[in-house]
Amino acid sequence: KNEVEQSPQNLTAQEGEFITINCSYSVGISALHWLQQHPGGGIVSLFMLSSGKKKHGRLIATINIQEKHSSLHITASHPRDSAVYICAVSLEPFMDSNYQLIWGAGTKLIIKP
Amino acid sequence: KAGVTQTPRYLIKTRGQQVTLSCSPISGHRSVSWYQQTPGQGLQFLFEYFSETQRNKGNFPGRFSGRQFSNSRSEMNVSTLELGDSALYLCASSRGEKLFFGSGTQLSVL
Repeated sequence: KNEVEQSPQNLTAQEGEFITINCSYSVGISALHWLQQHPGGGIVSLFMLSSGKKKHGRLIATINIQEKHSSLHITASHPRDSAVYICAVSLEPFMDSNYQLIWGAGTKLIIKP
Repeated sequence: KAGVTQTPRYLIKTRGQQVTLSCSPISGHRSVSWYQQTPGQGLQFLFEYFSETQRNKGNFPGRFSGRQFSNSRSEMNVSTLELGDSALYLCASSRGEKLFFGSGTQLSVL
């Protein structure tokens, strides 16, 4: 079993729909990251969470430490949101670096106009 | 402000050769981390450098090495290339919470 599991693997939705992508992990973490990768490879860091909830524009990320689960929500989805969304975790204990990440397999999101 | 710059963008090598990839972080960022992305294995952590010191290393063979210079630029070297080393190699620099990724170097080993 992978230490970081994402679901769904693929998601196709219509423009305007509310999108939820889930991430579950089985290890102790110091932080969880959500990232976005567009075709061509470029990766953009969206959020880093250690507790609670963060919001940026139409994106909302939540984390439940007790349940070892995080969700990424997109409100009023748009075709430009089409990308691969990746969850990654930084392990505990905090080794003076957030960047030894364990990555989920990613969720490929397609938003149709 | 310039982003993270990786060179070259594409590289084709043959088995047994060695390759050096370069990463220039965002000005002022002292941490540089490297990742390998393949269709089968997804993204995997290679190593991270901070102020010219390797702080963490992933589970890769010794053929994979790196270094960081005093200006924070980092290089990654892979010796004795194997077919399975074909991948997108990404580097990221950081200062604070967010990681900033380069566009990657697509390495093909024939």
